[in-house]
Amino acid sequence: SQKIEQNSEALNIQEGKTATLTCNYTNYSPAYLQWYRQDPGRGPVFLLLIRENEKEKRKERLKVTFDTTLKQSLFHITASQPADSATYLCALGDRGSTLGRLYFGRGTQLTVWP
Amino acid sequence: DTGVSQDPRHKITKRGQNVTFRCDPISEHNRLYWYRQTLGQGPEFLTYFQNEAQLEKSRLLSDRFSAERPKGSFSTLEIQRTEQGDSAMYLCASSPKAGAHTDTQYFGPGTRLTVL
Repeated sequence: SQKIEQNSEALNIQEGKTATLTCNYTNYSPAYLQWYRQDPGRGPVFLLLIRENEKEKRKERLKVTFDTTLKQSLFHITASQPADSATYLCALGDRGSTLGRLYFGRGTQLTVWP
Repeated sequence: DTGVSQDPRHKITKRGQNVTFRCDPISEHNRLYWYRQTLGQGPEFLTYFQNEAQLEKSRLLSDRFSAERPKGSFSTLEIQRTEQGDSAMYLCASSPKAGAHTDTQYFGPGTRLTVL
Protein backbone atom coordinates (compact mmCIF):
# COMPACT_ATOMS: atom_id res chain seq x y z
CA SER A 1 0.00 0.00 0.00
CA GLN A 2 1.07 3.58 -0.47
CA LYS A 3 3.10 5.32 2.19
CA ILE A 4 3.43 9.04 2.67
CA GLU A 5 6.07 10.60 4.89
CA GLN A 6 6.32 14.21 5.86
CA ASN A 7 9.58 15.45 7.29
CA SER A 8 9.84 15.85 11.00
CA GLU A 9 6.67 16.21 12.92
CA ALA A 10 7.66 19.73 13.94
CA LEU A 11 9.60 22.55 12.33
CA ASN A 12 10.54 25.74 14.14
CA ILE A 13 11.88 28.74 12.28
CA GLN A 14 12.38 32.43 12.83
CA GLU A 15 10.10 35.01 11.30
CA GLY A 16 11.29 36.17 7.90
CA LYS A 17 13.05 32.90 7.05
CA THR A 18 11.90 30.41 4.46
CA ALA A 19 10.19 27.30 5.75
CA THR A 20 10.69 24.15 3.68
CA LEU A 21 8.46 21.14 4.27
CA THR A 22 9.02 17.78 2.63
CA CYS A 23 6.59 15.12 1.48
CA ASN A 24 7.93 11.76 0.31
CA TYR A 25 5.85 8.87 -0.91
CA THR A 26 6.38 5.26 -1.91
CA ASN A 27 4.42 2.54 -3.67
CA TYR A 28 2.30 5.08 -5.47
CA SER A 29 2.11 7.20 -8.62
CA PRO A 30 -0.24 10.07 -7.86
CA ALA A 31 -1.92 12.08 -10.58
CA TYR A 32 -1.56 15.17 -8.43
CA LEU A 33 -0.45 16.33 -5.04
CA GLN A 34 -2.04 18.90 -2.77
CA TRP A 35 -0.95 20.85 0.27
CA TYR A 36 -3.38 21.83 3.00
CA ARG A 37 -3.08 23.92 6.11
CA GLN A 38 -4.81 22.84 9.30
CA ASP A 39 -5.22 24.86 12.47
CA PRO A 40 -6.04 23.16 15.80
CA GLY A 41 -9.63 21.99 15.98
CA ARG A 42 -10.39 23.00 12.41
CA GLY A 43 -10.72 21.30 9.05
CA PRO A 44 -7.90 21.40 6.48
CA VAL A 45 -7.78 24.41 4.16
CA PHE A 46 -6.60 23.92 0.58
CA LEU A 47 -3.44 25.80 -0.40
CA LEU A 48 -1.95 24.47 -3.63
CA LEU A 49 -2.37 21.65 -6.13
CA ILE A 50 0.36 20.45 -8.48
CA ARG A 51 -0.12 17.83 -11.16
CA GLU A 52 2.27 15.08 -12.18
CA ASN A 53 3.28 16.92 -15.35
CA GLU A 54 4.10 20.12 -13.48
CA LYS A 55 7.42 20.87 -11.80
CA GLU A 56 6.58 23.95 -9.79
CA LYS A 57 3.61 26.04 -8.70
CA ARG A 58 3.54 29.36 -6.91
CA LYS A 59 0.93 31.33 -5.05
CA GLU A 60 1.95 34.52 -3.30
CA ARG A 61 4.55 33.47 -0.67
CA LEU A 62 3.98 29.78 -1.30
CA LYS A 63 5.86 27.53 -3.69
CA VAL A 64 5.50 23.81 -4.26
CA THR A 65 7.67 21.51 -6.35
CA PHE A 66 6.90 18.00 -7.49
CA ASP A 67 9.55 15.48 -8.52
CA THR A 68 7.92 12.24 -9.66
CA THR A 69 11.32 10.59 -10.11
CA LEU A 70 12.34 11.23 -6.51
CA LYS A 71 8.72 10.74 -5.40
CA GLN A 72 8.96 13.95 -3.45
CA SER A 73 7.28 17.31 -3.07
CA LEU A 74 8.75 20.34 -1.38
CA PHE A 75 6.58 23.09 0.03
CA HIS A 76 8.14 26.47 0.70
CA ILE A 77 6.82 29.45 2.62
CA THR A 78 8.98 32.50 2.03
CA ALA A 79 9.18 35.47 4.38
CA SER A 80 7.43 33.38 7.02
CA GLN A 81 5.24 35.04 9.62
CA PRO A 82 3.97 33.90 13.02
CA ALA A 83 0.52 33.67 11.40
CA ASP A 84 1.87 30.86 9.21
CA SER A 85 2.17 28.67 12.30
CA ALA A 86 -0.05 25.63 11.70
CA THR A 87 0.09 22.00 10.64
CA TYR A 88 0.68 21.46 6.94
CA LEU A 89 -0.64 18.33 5.29
CA CYS A 90 0.47 16.72 2.07
CA ALA A 91 -2.18 14.77 0.15
CA LEU A 92 -1.90 12.57 -2.92
CA GLY A 93 -4.66 12.14 -5.49
CA ASP A 94 -5.46 9.06 -7.55
CA ARG A 95 -4.37 8.71 -11.15
CA GLY A 96 -7.05 8.80 -13.81
CA SER A 97 -9.78 8.35 -11.27
CA THR A 98 -13.01 10.20 -10.91
CA LEU A 99 -13.23 9.20 -7.30
CA GLY A 100 -10.96 11.89 -5.91
CA ARG A 101 -9.92 9.99 -2.82
CA LEU A 102 -6.99 11.72 -1.13
CA TYR A 103 -4.24 10.01 0.82
CA PHE A 104 -2.88 12.29 3.53
CA GLY A 105 0.43 12.35 5.35
CA ARG A 106 0.56 12.92 9.09
CA GLY A 107 1.46 16.56 8.66
CA THR A 108 4.29 18.81 9.78
CA GLN A 109 3.64 21.27 12.58
CA LEU A 110 5.26 24.57 11.71
CA THR A 111 6.00 27.19 14.34
CA VAL A 112 7.27 30.60 13.27
CA TRP A 113 8.64 32.61 16.16
CA PRO A 114 9.16 36.36 16.15
CA ASP B 1 -21.06 31.74 4.59
CA THR B 2 -20.98 29.42 1.60
CA GLY B 3 -18.44 26.92 2.92
CA VAL B 4 -18.98 23.33 3.99
CA SER B 5 -20.85 23.12 7.27
CA GLN B 6 -21.05 20.25 9.72
CA ASP B 7 -23.32 19.64 12.64
CA PRO B 8 -22.78 19.13 15.49
CA ARG B 9 -19.30 20.46 16.04
CA HIS B 10 -18.83 18.33 19.14
CA LYS B 11 -20.51 15.17 20.31
CA ILE B 12 -19.92 13.26 23.52
CA THR B 13 -21.61 9.91 23.83
CA LYS B 14 -21.45 6.75 25.86
CA ARG B 15 -20.15 3.53 24.42
CA GLY B 16 -22.89 1.57 22.70
CA GLN B 17 -24.97 4.59 21.70
CA ASN B 18 -25.73 5.58 18.13
CA VAL B 19 -24.69 8.94 16.75
CA THR B 20 -25.47 10.78 13.52
CA PHE B 21 -23.55 13.63 11.94
CA ARG B 22 -24.68 15.94 9.19
CA CYS B 23 -22.71 17.63 6.43
CA ASP B 24 -23.93 20.39 4.13
CA PRO B 25 -21.55 20.77 1.18
CA ILE B 26 -20.92 23.88 -0.82
CA SER B 27 -23.90 24.59 -3.03
CA GLU B 28 -23.75 22.78 -6.38
CA HIS B 29 -20.78 20.63 -5.40
CA ASN B 30 -21.84 17.21 -6.55
CA ARG B 31 -19.00 15.26 -4.90
CA LEU B 32 -18.92 14.72 -1.16
CA TYR B 33 -16.38 12.91 0.99
CA TRP B 34 -16.12 11.77 4.58
CA TYR B 35 -12.79 11.41 6.35
CA ARG B 36 -11.78 10.51 9.88
CA GLN B 37 -8.84 12.09 11.67
CA THR B 38 -7.31 11.00 14.95
CA LEU B 39 -4.85 13.02 16.99
CA GLY B 40 -1.47 13.40 15.32
CA GLN B 41 -2.59 11.74 12.10
CA GLY B 42 -3.74 12.98 8.73
CA PRO B 43 -7.33 12.51 7.59
CA GLU B 44 -8.23 8.98 6.45
CA PHE B 45 -10.75 8.45 3.69
CA LEU B 46 -14.03 6.82 4.68
CA THR B 47 -16.46 7.17 1.81
CA TYR B 48 -17.37 9.19 -1.27
CA PHE B 49 -20.59 10.27 -2.97
CA GLN B 50 -21.20 11.60 -6.42
CA ASN B 51 -24.63 13.16 -6.27
CA GLU B 52 -26.71 10.64 -4.30
CA ALA B 53 -24.66 7.59 -5.28
CA GLN B 54 -22.15 6.20 -2.81
CA LEU B 55 -19.32 5.19 -5.11
CA GLU B 56 -16.60 4.05 -2.76
CA LYS B 57 -16.24 2.90 0.83
CA SER B 58 -13.00 2.39 2.69
CA ARG B 59 -12.25 -0.76 4.65
CA LEU B 60 -12.26 1.57 7.67
CA LEU B 61 -16.01 1.86 7.25
CA SER B 62 -17.18 -1.13 9.24
CA ASP B 63 -20.76 -2.36 9.17
CA ARG B 64 -21.47 -0.11 12.15
CA PHE B 65 -20.98 2.90 9.90
CA SER B 66 -23.47 4.04 7.31
CA ALA B 67 -23.55 7.15 5.19
CA GLU B 68 -26.30 8.57 3.04
CA ARG B 69 -26.84 11.44 0.69
CA PRO B 70 -30.51 11.03 -0.17
CA LYS B 71 -31.08 13.95 -2.50
CA GLY B 72 -27.57 14.63 -3.60
CA SER B 73 -27.29 17.60 -1.29
CA PHE B 74 -26.56 17.13 2.43
CA SER B 75 -25.12 13.90 3.78
CA THR B 76 -25.37 12.04 7.08
CA LEU B 77 -22.89 9.68 8.69
CA GLU B 78 -24.26 7.34 11.33
CA ILE B 79 -22.23 5.23 13.72
CA GLN B 80 -24.11 2.50 15.52
CA ARG B 81 -23.03 0.93 18.80
CA THR B 82 -20.17 3.36 19.23
CA GLU B 83 -16.85 2.16 20.61
CA GLN B 84 -14.08 4.14 22.27
CA GLY B 85 -11.97 3.62 19.18
CA ASP B 86 -14.48 5.66 17.21
CA SER B 87 -13.37 8.79 19.04
CA ALA B 88 -11.98 11.09 16.36
CA MET B 89 -12.66 14.15 14.27
CA TYR B 90 -15.04 13.38 11.41
CA LEU B 91 -14.44 15.63 8.45
CA CYS B 92 -16.65 16.26 5.46
CA ALA B 93 -15.39 17.72 2.19
CA SER B 94 -16.93 18.59 -1.13
CA SER B 95 -15.67 19.33 -4.60
CA PRO B 96 -17.28 20.71 -7.74
CA LYS B 97 -18.36 18.73 -10.76
CA ALA B 98 -16.44 20.64 -13.37
CA GLY B 99 -14.04 23.50 -13.73
CA ALA B 100 -10.54 24.34 -12.70
CA HIS B 101 -10.92 23.12 -9.13
CA THR B 102 -12.52 19.72 -9.59
CA ASP B 103 -9.69 18.00 -7.74
CA THR B 104 -9.68 20.44 -4.85
CA GLN B 105 -11.56 19.33 -1.77
CA TYR B 106 -13.09 21.94 0.50
CA PHE B 107 -13.33 20.76 4.05
CA GLY B 108 -15.80 21.58 6.75
CA PRO B 109 -14.86 22.34 10.37
CA GLY B 110 -15.39 18.74 11.42
CA THR B 111 -17.36 17.01 14.15
CA ARG B 112 -15.33 15.99 17.17
CA LEU B 113 -16.68 12.71 18.59
CA THR B 114 -15.75 11.54 22.06
CA VAL B 115 -16.95 8.11 23.13
CA LEU B 116 -16.80 7.55 26.90
